[in-house]
Amino acid sequence: QKEVEQNSGPLSVPEGAIASLNCTYSDRGSQSFFWYRQYSGKSPELIMFIYSNGDKEDGRFTAQLNKASQYVSLLIRDSQPSDSATYLCAVGPGNNRLAFGKGNQVVVIP
Amino acid sequence: DVKVTQSSRYLVKRTGEKVFLECVQDMDHENMFWYRQDPGLGLRLIYFSYDVKMKEKGDIPEGYSVSREKKERFSLILESASTNQTSMYLCASSPGTMETQYFGPGTRLLVL
Repeated sequence: QKEVEQNSGPLSVPEGAIASLNCTYSDRGSQSFFWYRQYSGKSPELIMFIYSNGDKEDGRFTAQLNKASQYVSLLIRDSQPSDSATYLCAVGPGNNRLAFGKGNQVVVIP
Repeated sequence: DVKVTQSSRYLVKRTGEKVFLECVQDMDHENMFWYRQDPGLGLRLIYFSYDVKMKEKGDIPEGYSVSREKKERFSLILESASTNQTSMYLCASSPGTMETQYFGPGTRLLVL
């Protein structure tokens, strides 16, 4: 069964620090990788997508993909209280659907 | 901007009622999806559709059916609502198989 794992518990970071989130996936044939942010009571919204090995930066966010090790990570630099949310990792295995992880809660402490 | 709308934000129904949840997207996307999200269980795929009148079962299709008569509209039907179907229901659409899914605002359904 194709799985996406986000194993870390809630992550508390001081304002201004770097938050680091990790995600591993089981399907070696996966081709597309996404990070979504979900505020409490709201629907997920896309932060970033990445298709190729390496880093992709967008503002304070950096996604890192390592297909050989089957992990994708998200770094949030200069964390702000507005970054407090649950972050969902999603992986595209190529059968018309994405597989989602259960999410990691991030709490930014002012 | 992609816009995905859902017919209701909050819905209260009684056990045994037939429930219709509607989703409309305005970006001519091929694929549409219905998920439910429950604490500790994450997003679970109920059904998806990759073309008009086409549907495929997701991970938890039991107790649900879907309809896609027009490209922009994807409906989720609870034939006989039960209390264990109390959940947040999220609709999403995407332009292609490997591409970003855009979510609607969600419908929080309470079945009494």
